[in-house]
Amino acid sequence: DVKVTQSSRYLVKRTGEKVFLECVQDMDHENMFWYRQDPGLGLRLIYFSYDVKMKEKGDIPEGYSVSREKKERFSLILESASTNQTSMYLCASSPYPSGLAGSTGELFFGEGSRLTVL
Amino acid sequence: AQRVTQPEKLLSVFKGAPVELKCNYSYSGSPELFWYVQYSRQRLQLLLRHISRESIKGFTADLNKGETSFHLKKPFAQEEDSAMYYCALSGGGKLIFGQGTELSVKP
Repeated sequence: DVKVTQSSRYLVKRTGEKVFLECVQDMDHENMFWYRQDPGLGLRLIYFSYDVKMKEKGDIPEGYSVSREKKERFSLILESASTNQTSMYLCASSPYPSGLAGSTGELFFGEGSRLTVL
Repeated sequence: AQRVTQPEKLLSVFKGAPVELKCNYSYSGSPELFWYVQYSRQRLQLLLRHISRESIKGFTADLNKGETSFHLKKPFAQEEDSAMYYCALSGGGKLIFGQGTELSVKP
């Protein structure tokens, strides 16, 4: 059974703080993704990675960065948190080695990290 | 540009009634489409994909390229179908989601 684990379920941070959200998957998947989930806006892709040390911007990368030093771990970083980054953050992985072309196939999601920025 | 639109934020039906959750997409290539579901307090998970042409939990979805639609249907809704449903489009190595439709099935 695929397991995608997000280290923090709930975080409360102050404006301007640096925030790390960690995600680990245990199935040797090539692709990993970070989305934010907001009511009425659905899931919006922040960044994705199709290989170690590779990253690609999604639709809303501003204010975020990512790190993928190992295949199983994909971290989302908020360099200076702002109140409009209060959201639910979802990590996902996919086994298909598609790179930038072709289908992602099925995505396997973590339980989410709910971040509140005060 | 890739885009997925789910026009209804909330769909409320009574148990036993038919359900149709709408999804329209915009994509220049040959689309691969999915429906994902999130039950209360559970993680988002795949419900079905168009290439499988399968029925999962009584739900079906047909890809209509002429109308660029991929509506999710079930003839008789059950209370346990209450959840958040997302339509998604795959392309360029990423999955683009719609805004989501909350389905509420009342007893």
